[in-house]
Amino acid sequence: SQTIHQWPATLVQPVGSPLSLECTVEGTSNPNLYWYRQAAGRGLQLLFYSVGIGQISSEVPQNLSASRPQDRQFILSSKKLLLSDSGFYLCAWKRKENTGELFFGEGSRLTVL
Amino acid sequence: DAKTTQPPSMDCAEGRAANLPCNHSTISGNEYVYWYRQIHSQGPQYIIHGLKNNETNEMASLIITEDRKSSTLILPHATLRDTAVYYCIVRVQGAQKLVFGQGTRLTINP
Repeated sequence: SQTIHQWPATLVQPVGSPLSLECTVEGTSNPNLYWYRQAAGRGLQLLFYSVGIGQISSEVPQNLSASRPQDRQFILSSKKLLLSDSGFYLCAWKRKENTGELFFGEGSRLTVL
Repeated sequence: DAKTTQPPSMDCAEGRAANLPCNHSTISGNEYVYWYRQIHSQGPQYIIHGLKNNETNEMASLIITEDRKSSTLILPHATLRDTAVYYCIVRVQGAQKLVFGQGTRLTINP
């Protein structure tokens, strides 16, 4: 069976510090991978998605970047965090078949102080 | 992807059927209707999807109108654990990304 894990689950970081959130998928190959963010009381915002190693599509201009160094690994990074980067970050994967559903990780809650 | 409109919140009594509406009047012929739900502090969970026929699974039923401009998600016997935000999404077949709207916050009351 397929599993998705992301870490850390909770993170408190000062403004201006770097960020690295990691997500890995097991039990499948060549998945599409996604990073979403949910600010407090808001909906889900798609940040990045990737259809293959080294292929990153950015949905909104922002202070964040994503990388996919391996087939089942997706990393969300920032060089200098802003207060507005606080939120609940969710990684997800999907098979490439046409009607494939999204499977989400447990989420990482980031608080920038 | 077509825009969807959902009521921001709804209430339902435990044990009754919860009917969550979604308008997608600009849907095109190759767009599927997806429903997800998000329980507080968790990632969204897939519920069901359909193209034009009604669909049913162990979680819910999806009723799509004949003109496909709207749909209803039905939770036949709502429980307290069904309290969540429910998202209706339309997506082109084969599209790589899924864009979520604001959803409907469903509260099941005892």
